[in-house]
Amino acid sequence: GQNIDQPTEMTATEGAIVQINCTYQTSGFNGLFWYQQHAGEAPTFLSYNVLDGLEEKGRFSSFLSRSKGYSYLLLKELQMKDSASYLCAVRDSNYQLIWGAGTKLIIKP
Amino acid sequence: ETGVTQTPRHLVMGMTNKKSLKCEQHLGHNAMYWYKQSAKKPLELMFVYNFKEQTENNSVPSRFSPECPNSSHLFLHLHTLQPEDSALYLCASSQEEANSYEQYFGPGTRLTVT
Repeated sequence: GQNIDQPTEMTATEGAIVQINCTYQTSGFNGLFWYQQHAGEAPTFLSYNVLDGLEEKGRFSSFLSRSKGYSYLLLKELQMKDSASYLCAVRDSNYQLIWGAGTKLIIKP
Repeated sequence: ETGVTQTPRHLVMGMTNKKSLKCEQHLGHNAMYWYKQSAKKPLELMFVYNFKEQTENNSVPSRFSPECPNSSHLFLHLHTLQPEDSALYLCASSQEEANSYEQYFGPGTRLTVT
């Protein structure tokens, strides 16, 4: 079967750095997405990786290793507004998106 | 209005009721999606329409019936639902159903079946 694993919940301190990991086992690979979802709101797109390496976008970076079936989302200089769920999703060989259950990130002052 | 809109935002219905959820996208996209989101579970893809043609139906019970009259509008018709159908129903759209196109989500309809 196809599976995306991410931690259920993480806690970090304002101003710090946090890394949210995602491992996947899918039938084929055609890209990996990270989305942010604040409570009661729609998921919003953060990043897309299809080649190995690090993609940086402001305070957020996303890394991919296809050989290891692994990605992480790195959030720097954490702000209270970063408290949200972070969803990892992989596009399989049929171009269908397989979603993880999300990681709830709690930021403390 | 911009982006993806959904109505109603909240819906409470009995198991014998018939109701419809509406989604509209103002982005000029060609693909639209219905997802079910339950607490602590992954997003479940229900239906996909690409250029108004249904391309995915992930073993969804027939009590859920989608309709896509044009590339900007998507409906989900509900009838004789069960309490376990209570969830957040999200609509999304993307340029096309493929490749690197990210999906844009609406705010969702919080459905409670009593």
